[in-house]
Amino acid sequence: GAGVSQSPRYKVAKRGQDVALRCDPISGHVSLFWYQQALGQGPEFLTYFQNEAQLDKSGLPSDRFFAERPEGSVSTLKIQRTQQEDSAVYLCASSLGLAKNIQYFGAGTRLSVL
Amino acid sequence: TQLLEQSPQFLSIQEGENLTVYCNSSSVFSSLQWYRQEPGEGPVLLVTVVTGGEVKKLKRLTFQFGDARKDSSLHITAAQPGDTGLYLCAPVPVNDYKLSFGAGTTVTVRA
Repeated sequence: GAGVSQSPRYKVAKRGQDVALRCDPISGHVSLFWYQQALGQGPEFLTYFQNEAQLDKSGLPSDRFFAERPEGSVSTLKIQRTQQEDSAVYLCASSLGLAKNIQYFGAGTRLSVL
Repeated sequence: TQLLEQSPQFLSIQEGENLTVYCNSSSVFSSLQWYRQEPGEGPVLLVTVVTGGEVKKLKRLTFQFGDARKDSSLHITAAQPGDTGLYLCAPVPVNDYKLSFGAGTTVTVRA
């Protein structure tokens, strides 16, 4: 596709439910990032993939957060047993080649946990 | 981790007015990026400033990098409603890949 595509755009979950957020990066982009953006704040790094390898997951807030990119393209961010503090916009970004290349962001998924 | 301070936090102006937003740090930036995030969208890179004292222009937007590379500013001339958004700064990672954003300045331009 022309840009990074994320789905769903909006997700409402009851506390305790599991959710899965999808990211389709720009075709051919090697690097993929997930960020979490709380209301009124800048995005904060969650995790980084180079192809299918998850090279950094230091930003994941707890073991309830899990990300995968099994074929080096589409990525899924899964949050188990969601809590109210998980409410945020989850942004995906991809970059061509090396991680230090320009990152192109998707529009994000807005997660609201009730 | 480099701490970034962006100011002001919020700015609301009338169409046609000018505005300036700031990005400051106690540490030296190797280089710095400015992004704009429109409501409901992801951040989009506007510019990267690299050299101390550098000034870059992008239509009505003027970006300045401080001589000591610890601060930067973004000036918008004759703001338009389309300039509305969250303006974020982020140092370009040196020995890293993750972007660390400031909290941003929310700019609202009223028609």
